[in-house]
Amino acid sequence: KAGVTQTPRYLIKTRGQQVTLSCSPISGHRSVSWYQQTPGQGLQFLFEYFSETQRNKGNFPGRFSGRQFSNSRSEMNVSTLELGDSALYLCASSLAGGKSSYNSPLHFGNGTRLTVT
Amino acid sequence: AQTVTQSQPEMSVQEAETVTLSCTYDTSESNYYLFWYKQPPSRQMILVIRQEAYKQQNATENRFSVNFQKAAKSFSLKISDSQLGDTAMYFCAFMKLGPGGATNKLIFGTGTLLAVQP
Repeated sequence: KAGVTQTPRYLIKTRGQQVTLSCSPISGHRSVSWYQQTPGQGLQFLFEYFSETQRNKGNFPGRFSGRQFSNSRSEMNVSTLELGDSALYLCASSLAGGKSSYNSPLHFGNGTRLTVT
Repeated sequence: AQTVTQSQPEMSVQEAETVTLSCTYDTSESNYYLFWYKQPPSRQMILVIRQEAYKQQNATENRFSVNFQKAAKSFSLKISDSQLGDTAMYFCAFMKLGPGGATNKLIFGTGTLLAVQP
């Protein structure tokens, strides 16, 4: 079974641009979560989607948005990029959520390394 | 708000020896999950072990075990017979339960970089 796939692996953008990152979950997984990892702030939760609906949201500005498609694939968009958005963006998928999440823990992808210049 | 603290930024251990990584957390919740994840240089976050807060028995996965002290809000990871492949960043993580169960929202500690020396 293929793991969580994130594309692209690396991305370089300029301040003020926007960027879209993609995440394909493990087949059958319906929940997709996004995390930002930086040396200064560590790992921070961005948001979670389940059945095309945002179910949980972290404390990030509105420039960060996401969506999930009917096949569970998810995209994350960051508009008006700032230097501080440079980070590793990790996507994680799980079967469902709820009590079953314990037996279906989060499976992470290899991340997209975003550099903003 | 929940917080997770890992007070050991770096640790080193000799191959085949045992090492313990510390983690403390702060929460007012009574039901939650705790996890240890490892992140090798490949960047992929890999689940090492997990614990449900209502279970008093400490979780064990092969060479990995935890010491879960709910009252003290402590969740340490013990790695026995350390191997070179265990070299990685280790993160302690907390997940609270919502009305429908797990929220899939992990709160991570700052990590401990473990180096296993040959």
